[in-house]
Amino acid sequence: DIQMTQSPSTLSASVGDRVTITCRASQSISSWLAWYQQKPGKAPKLLIYKASSLESGVPSRFSGSGSGTEFTLTISSLQPDDFATYYCQQYKSYSALTFGQGTKVEIK
Amino acid sequence: EVQLLESGGGLVQPGGSLRLSCAASGFTFSSFAMSWVRQAPGKGLEWVSAISGSGGSTYYADSVKGRFSISRDNSKNTLYLQMSSLRADDTAVYYCAKDPTGTGYFDLWGRGTLVTVSS
Repeated sequence: DIQMTQSPSTLSASVGDRVTITCRASQSISSWLAWYQQKPGKAPKLLIYKASSLESGVPSRFSGSGSGTEFTLTISSLQPDDFATYYCQQYKSYSALTFGQGTKVEIK
Repeated sequence: EVQLLESGGGLVQPGGSLRLSCAASGFTFSSFAMSWVRQAPGKGLEWVSAISGSGGSTYYADSVKGRFSISRDNSKNTLYLQMSSLRADDTAVYYCAKDPTGTGYFDLWGRGTLVTVSS
């Protein structure tokens, strides 16, 4: 299976900060990568698909980049509603979809 | 309203069985592949199983292969997950999720249903 590794595991930041989360794949996944946001007790919400395509309705402060094995999710100016856990997910291998372990964005 | 609503979770003994359901509304259910994704308490997301829109193709994570079975009834707009030989490490919130393009990412998730495997 393709392993997905996110860094950092936890990130402390302030409102207005630029935040970057990294996701690395154990082998090339081209651009078959999605990012999700999850708040406590809630279902995940799709933010980005195909590495850099913004899901409809998602604020433009969220952006994704990368291809191959290294990807980033950037929040250009952190808002109070953005404190949550973020997951990357590869979908190159449809019979073995895998998620990263998550990055928790906390208030500094 | 476009939504997914899971049901069927609960407490079950190790070795037992349970069937989860996911009722879809607000979209043409039969046109989309669907998946089950689970999340153990305090842990990350784990994909469990997927099924094509027609139901003709199914996929499973190694951790549940041979024990879980995914199916769908397009006439009832409902997705199912039959779980057997349940183990303590199957304890999780189980989400159903819609795959908008059939490539393996998810744009719509249900609220989840909790399955607890314990004696």
